[in-house]
Amino acid sequence: DAGITQSPRHKVTETGTPVTLRCHQTENHRYMYWYRQDPGHGLRLIHYSYGVKDTDKGEVSDGYSVSRSKTEDFLLTLESATSSQTSVYFCAISEEGGAGGDFGPGTRLTVL
Amino acid sequence: EDQVTQSPEALRLQEGESSSLNCSYTVSGLRGLFWYRQDPGKGPEFLFTLYSAGEEKEKERLKATLTKKESFLHITAPKPEDSATYLCAVRQNTGNQFYFGTGTSLTVIP
Repeated sequence: DAGITQSPRHKVTETGTPVTLRCHQTENHRYMYWYRQDPGHGLRLIHYSYGVKDTDKGEVSDGYSVSRSKTEDFLLTLESATSSQTSVYFCAISEEGGAGGDFGPGTRLTVL
Repeated sequence: EDQVTQSPEALRLQEGESSSLNCSYTVSGLRGLFWYRQDPGKGPEFLFTLYSAGEEKEKERLKATLTKKESFLHITAPKPEDSATYLCAVRQNTGNQFYFGTGTSLTVIP
């Protein structure tokens, strides 16, 4: 996990509230990714970024937005959290556009 | 439909008992196939990238191979510390989608 931090590591929130998760890297990698991991589904790509202010949707992007104003930070926002967004969220980075070479430690989000 | 299927879902081995994990994929135009190891409560740890059929990669007791429709992760003489969930992922050569399998949970018994 060296070089990638996620905050917060755990969060409990209520349905309908906005939530922002932060991923910070010190590797200066171009690509950053947000995934969610759920039992029976494996890791699924939410959004990714291929540079500052350059982002694109992944497989499960509905209900999520992202922003990247600096190379080192990639934010994931749930505008109005729902119980179906209870999950473990992982950030990943890579130099090339591969499958996200290095993953962060994860954020466990519970939406009540 | 599932793009990546891993089998078995769970595998228990005695220490020293070699075996293989399977990852089959249905994406057309493979750009890369990736293997990761994930320990409980942690993020996945990158192991290998394979790009073309016939390619092999090795790291300690692990060896990954690739054919046109599947990949194998061979574990030779495993140790208890090899216990983890092993994940496979593929990327197509069109678009930027990455597809992960649900993993194989490996337990190595001393």
